[in-house]
Parts: sequence; C-alpha cells; structure tokens
Amino acid sequence: GAGVSQSPRYKVAKRGQDVALRCDPISGHVSLFWYQQALGQGPEFLTYFQNEAQLDKSGLPSDRFFAERPEGSVSTLKIQRTQQEDSAVYLCASSQRWTGAGEQYFGPGTRLTVT
Amino acid sequence: GQNIDQPTEMTATEGAIVQINCTYQTSGFNGLFWYQQHAGEAPTFLSYNVLDGLEEKGRFSSFLSRSKGYSYLLLKELQMKDSASYLCAQTGANNLFFGTGTRLTVIP
Repeated sequence: GAGVSQSPRYKVAKRGQDVALRCDPISGHVSLFWYQQALGQGPEFLTYFQNEAQLDKSGLPSDRFFAERPEGSVSTLKIQRTQQEDSAVYLCASSQRWTGAGEQYFGPGTRLTVT
Repeated sequence: GQNIDQPTEMTATEGAIVQINCTYQTSGFNGLFWYQQHAGEAPTFLSYNVLDGLEEKGRFSSFLSRSKGYSYLLLKELQMKDSASYLCAQTGANNLFFGTGTRLTVIP
C-alpha cells in the first residue's frame, strides 16, 4: 500500500514568507508526528497528533510554527515569516499506535531552504 | 532530549561486520529503535528492542542492555548499499528521541 507522502518535496522561500507543508499519512494511522532534521543531525520532534487532536506541541521552536490535522488524516505544518534558521528537512511520520511508543513510518520529507 | 550518544562516522569494508553503538538515558525508558536513512531519503525502520538481549533479522541484529543504557546495531556481510546513516532512537511519551546518527561508509 501507499506510504507516507509529503509535498512539496523541495521549497525555497524568501525570508519573511509564509510556507505550508503537507503530509498525507498512511490511511488509518491514528498518530501523526512532525520532525525537523538539520543537515547532519537526527530528526528532532516538533509536534504530535492523535487523530485530529494535537496532544503535544512542545517541540515547536516558536509561535511562528503552527500545525493542524482538522479531519484526522492530512496534516499541514505552517511556518510564518520564515527565517534562515528554519532551513531544514521537515519529516512527517505516522503510526497505527495510539501513543508515540510504536514504530513510525516516515515520509520522504520536505527540504525547506530560506534565502 | 534523552542524551542519546552514537559515533558520528564509521568506515568498514564490503563483506565485513560492523557494530554501531548507542548509549541513552535510562530514566523513563520505553524502547529503542534503529532506523536506516540514505542521503535525501526517509528514515526506514530496522529494529525495535524493549527487552534485554539480541534480536536478529537477517544480516542486521540489534542488542539492548537496559541496565547499562546501551544498544548496538550489528551489520554482517556488509554491502555497498549499506552505506547510509544509522539512527538510534529512544521512545518518549509522544515521540521518538533521535541521536545524531552514525554515517557508515562501506568501501570495496
């Protein structure tokens, strides 16, 4: 079956622009996660959804970052007034488990470059 | 974070065996994952350990010692396609805590 998909795969934004990154999880997966991965680093947690409920947003680096999953499937990560330090790969993952303690399936990521 | 520590880079020869070590914080432990990530691609699941001991899956094995806060990933009969980053990740309440990853280069 289809895996996790993300779009766009690549995004170039000028500093100060708003961007929206989309994630389509595996159908039926309850849990959805967003991670930020800087070059040469491991993924760092941003936020977690259980269905449409955002249960943990402790990893969001600032109030410029906002995520939603209104119908419990597709999710969007929005970054307002982008800064150069936002340049990274944004990974989405989904899991059929009802908690974060289970195997997560990752999408290919969106590489964001802020110029 | 969970103070996950793993070597930054390793090099090994095709056909050989390599062991990638990972140490983590033992408090609040719920399980440990290993993921493989080729450059520019998504991390893919390799193994999951929650109990002590060795889990074998083909050429890849993973070991866990909960009392020592220690895990390793063992890759046998290395192939060129095994050149990738290997990420150790500890389960948190709502997410995975990843190490920085070990970049493995397999040479002929």
